Amino acid sequence: KAGVTQTPRYLIKTRGQQVTLSCSPISGHRSVSWYQQTPGQGLQFLFEYFSETQRNKGNFPGRFSGRQFSNSRSEMNVSTLELGDSALYLCASSWSGTVGGNEQFFGPGTRLTVL
Amino acid sequence: GIQVEQSPPDLILQEGANSTLRCNFSDSVNNLQWFHQNPWGQLINLFYIPSGTKQNGRLSATTVATERYSLLYISSSQTTDSGVYFCAVDNYYGGSQGNLIFGKGTKLSVKP
Repeated sequence: KAGVTQTPRYLIKTRGQQVTLSCSPISGHRSVSWYQQTPGQGLQFLFEYFSETQRNKGNFPGRFSGRQFSNSRSEMNVSTLELGDSALYLCASSWSGTVGGNEQFFGPGTRLTVL
Repeated sequence: GIQVEQSPPDLILQEGANSTLRCNFSDSVNNLQWFHQNPWGQLINLFYIPSGTKQNGRLSATTVATERYSLLYISSSQTTDSGVYFCAVDNYYGGSQGNLIFGKGTKLSVKP
């Protein structure tokens, strides 16, 4: 079974631009979560989607948004990029995100650099 | 929210040595996972272990949920074990679906 895939793997943007990252979960998984990893803040939860609905959201500004499609693929968007948005963005999928189906499997990540 | 503390933050070993990594958490959990982050940044699943003991080759893990800690054991370490090990938990009944809370990690360096 194929793992979680993320595209693109690397991105370089300038301040003020916007960016869209994509995540394809493991086949059959319906929950997709997004995380941001920085040296200073570590791994932080952004949001989680299940059946095209956002069920949970972390403490990030509204510039960070996401969506999930009917095939469970997910995208996240960051608008008006700031230097501090430079990070590794990780996507994870699980079968249901709930007890009994909440083991998460991670993709390789997208490394975003904002200049 | 739940707090996750990992110790030690850094660990240097000679190849062949054994080690124990610890993860303490501040509330009851229904998911606890151990990950190894490789040099390219990907998180590799080691164990899904909200309670009990599991073993996989040279690695084993134990979670004592009632005492709110988990241990990861690495035996006969190899240079390829180097990297950062993360413990992560969630508390679904606290309304945190799909929200893993990570510790700061233990950076392991295995010297040949």
